[in-house]
Amino acid sequence: AQSVTQLGSHVSVSEGALVLLRCNYSSSVPPYLFWYVQYPNQGLQLLLKYTTGATLVKGINGFEAEFKKSETSFHLTKPSAHMSDAAEYFCAVTYNAGNMLTFGGGTRLMVKP
Amino acid sequence: DAMVIQNPRYQVTQFGKPVTLSCSQTLNHNVMYWYQQKSSQAPKLLFHYYDKDFNNEADTPDNFQSRRPNTSFCFLDIRSPGLGDAAMYLCATSRELADNNEQFFGPGTRLTVL
Repeated sequence: AQSVTQLGSHVSVSEGALVLLRCNYSSSVPPYLFWYVQYPNQGLQLLLKYTTGATLVKGINGFEAEFKKSETSFHLTKPSAHMSDAAEYFCAVTYNAGNMLTFGGGTRLMVKP
Repeated sequence: DAMVIQNPRYQVTQFGKPVTLSCSQTLNHNVMYWYQQKSSQAPKLLFHYYDKDFNNEADTPDNFQSRRPNTSFCFLDIRSPGLGDAAMYLCATSRELADNNEQFFGPGTRLTVL
């Protein structure tokens, strides 16, 4: 069965600093990978996704992620954090299983002024 | 704007009193999903509909049922809510069941059980 691990349930950065949220997956077949963001008391919004093609994927709000097959990783980055980036971030994966998302445990990003 | 709508946003019910949560979509997507998300946890899939075909996750309790009377609407029925059912319930849709399809989420309904 597939699984997703997000290292660090809480990450704190200063405004303007680099954001790095880690995601590793387990798979014996090529996965489709997603990052979702969830603001308090809201649903999930897709930030970006990797399906095929270019391994560096750019998303909304200045976020990007790189699919590294050799490392089974799909880490999310943003060069400069804004206060509005404070939210919960979920990495998710689907495998030829009918589009069922398997989520990681989530990482709460806090941005300090 | 095409979207996924959930009503109500906040629902309070009593222990054991049946409750229904509503989801509608204007995206005309074939697939609708219901997730349960407890505090500080990832969403957990309860079931999904592909058109009228219902698919229950193996570990979804019998207490949870769903109805999809038409393409646009899907309901989550909790027959006898327990305190452990207090959670955020998220509805999502996707065009197809293909793995690269994005799922579009509604804002969620937060259920409180007294």
